[in-house]
Amino acid sequence: RKEVEQDPGPFNVPEGATVAFNCTYSNSASQSFFWYRQDCRKEPKLLMSVYSSGNEDGRFTAQLNRASQYISLLIRDSKLSDSATYLCVVGREAGTALIFGKGTTLSVSS
Amino acid sequence: DAMVIQNPRYQVTQFGKPVTLSCSQTLNHNVMYWYQQKSSQAPKLLFHYYDKDFNNEADTPDNFQSRRPNTSFCFLDIRSPGLGDAAMYLCATSRDRNGYTFGSGTRLTVV
Repeated sequence: RKEVEQDPGPFNVPEGATVAFNCTYSNSASQSFFWYRQDCRKEPKLLMSVYSSGNEDGRFTAQLNRASQYISLLIRDSKLSDSATYLCVVGREAGTALIFGKGTTLSVSS
Repeated sequence: DAMVIQNPRYQVTQFGKPVTLSCSQTLNHNVMYWYQQKSSQAPKLLFHYYDKDFNNEADTPDNFQSRRPNTSFCFLDIRSPGLGDAAMYLCATSRDRNGYTFGSGTRLTVV
């Protein structure tokens, strides 16, 4: 089983739509969780950290369910500029390394 | 003001010819990582240095080696590149578990 699994999509949505991405991770002892955004042929960039209590940053909301080992990202009022690949990322229990999911591709059209 | 710098951005190498990719950082981070990312796949951790301690991933082929001569620099050596090694190679740094920062990557083509 892969350490981090995501539905690769693609998700094709119109501007203004709400879209949700899901991710599962295999190691129940993992301590840190993130969503990264990666544009085509660019490096990944941190979108937001994910906390058990859930957190929101503008149009983006992230949730963590430790019992189910499940992470989600909700994007409201999608913009054309949201088109990218969204990577679910989990910090290893021991050490400092981050482990990436394959990513979910979002395409927002006008 | 790039803080994690990878050179070159694009590298073309011949099948079987050793190649070295470089990464430097101005953040004084103690941890440096190398990831390999193939098209439409997840960035895959190859290895990392925690200070001077080298940590290899179990499934990283022996063909891949790394050197960290000082805090600022880390190199990825591919001893005998194969066609399957064509990928984007991403360097990242962190201060322990914090401040993870990626370089822009080196796109390697093997001909």
